[in-house]
Amino acid sequence: KAGVTQTPRYLIKTRGQQVTLSCSPISGHRSVSWYQQTPGQGLQFLFEYFSETQRNKGNFPGRFSGRQFSNSRSEMNVSTLELGDSALYLCASSLRDRSYEQYFGPGTRLTVT
Amino acid sequence: AQSVSQHNHHVILSEAASLELGCNYSYGGTVNLFWYVQYPGQHLQLLLKYFSGDPLVKGIKGFEAEFIKSKFSFNLRKPSVQWSDTAEYFCAVNGRDSWGKLQFGAGTQVVVTP
Repeated sequence: KAGVTQTPRYLIKTRGQQVTLSCSPISGHRSVSWYQQTPGQGLQFLFEYFSETQRNKGNFPGRFSGRQFSNSRSEMNVSTLELGDSALYLCASSLRDRSYEQYFGPGTRLTVT
Repeated sequence: AQSVSQHNHHVILSEAASLELGCNYSYGGTVNLFWYVQYPGQHLQLLLKYFSGDPLVKGIKGFEAEFIKSKFSFNLRKPSVQWSDTAEYFCAVNGRDSWGKLQFGAGTQVVVTP
């Protein structure tokens, strides 16, 4: 089975711009979660989508949003980029079964200049 | 609020030494517990998980972890490390209120010297 894929892998944007990141889950996985990884804050949960509905949300400003499509693919959007948004954005997919284990993609490295 | 605490931020070991990484969590309900590993230049991989049953769980690459409910701990162990175990290790928890949200510890950077 193919793993979680994320596109693009690297991105450079300017402060004030917006960006959209894409995630394709493992086949059959209907839950997609997003995380932000930075050296200072570590791994922080952004949100989870299941059946095209946001199920959980982390403590991020409204500039961070997401959506999920009927084929379980997910996108996250960051509007009005700030320098502090520079990070590795990770997507994880899950079967949403008893243990709810999540499988991570390689991430999108976003640099805001 | 959920929190996960990893005791060490950096560990340096020689090959063949034993490894134990501590993890404590704060959560009042039913939890699932995980250890993930991030090798240099690679993505996060699941090492092992606990959600019920035998509190001693075995994972990939010779790792094991013990869940001690009374101590809210889930420590990771490996009897004899190899140079290829050099990586960052993360403990993570999810709970009944939000199964889709993993709360991660700060991570422990492990360096194994030849």
